[in-house]
Amino acid sequence: EDQVTQSPEALRLQEGESSSLNCSYTVSGLRGLFWYRQDPGKGPEFLFTLYSAGEEKEKERLKATLTKKESFLHITAPKPEDSATYLCAVQDDNNAGNMLTFGGGTRLMVKP
Amino acid sequence: DGGITQSPKYLFRKEGQNVTLSCEQNLNHDAMYWYRQDPGQGLRLIYYSQIVNDFQKGDIAEGYSVSREKKESFPLTVTSAQKNPTAFYLCATSTFQEQFFGPGTRLTVL
Repeated sequence: EDQVTQSPEALRLQEGESSSLNCSYTVSGLRGLFWYRQDPGKGPEFLFTLYSAGEEKEKERLKATLTKKESFLHITAPKPEDSATYLCAVQDDNNAGNMLTFGGGTRLMVKP
Repeated sequence: DGGITQSPKYLFRKEGQNVTLSCEQNLNHDAMYWYRQDPGQGLRLIYYSQIVNDFQKGDIAEGYSVSREKKESFPLTVTSAQKNPTAFYLCATSTFQEQFFGPGTRLTVL
């Protein structure tokens, strides 16, 4: 059974204070690892897909990295508008329906 | 305006009633999904459909039903058999891999 664990559950940062969010996963064969951003009361917004260990992707102040057991979402010099819940999900190679297994999310709060 | 629409945004239901949540897309994606999100938690898969007239149960299908008569539409019915239906419901569509989400429907049982 695929499992995804995100840590920490909540993270408070001062504006400009860089940090990282962790996503640990167990999957029989990784087809892809996905990061989403979710604002309160809204649907998740797609950020990145990572396919293989060593891969990195960047978007503005966010950079996602992938190893064989975990992924990190690095946030450099965050701003208050980066406050949101960040969700990680995996897609199993043995999964016929392209289904995603999600972690519980990390709630990020950036104070000015 | 393209994308995924869900209606209504808020829905209130009395115990014992069935309610239907709408999901429509104009992205021409074949696959559609329904997820449930409880406060402070991740998403759990209820049902998914890869093609018209075909759908499969997800991890928490009990108390829910779906239909897929058109490519653009994938309505979800929350039946009275669902013991704890109060939650945020999200519809998604997908290309080969990435899934894209609608704005969600918040269902509250009174």
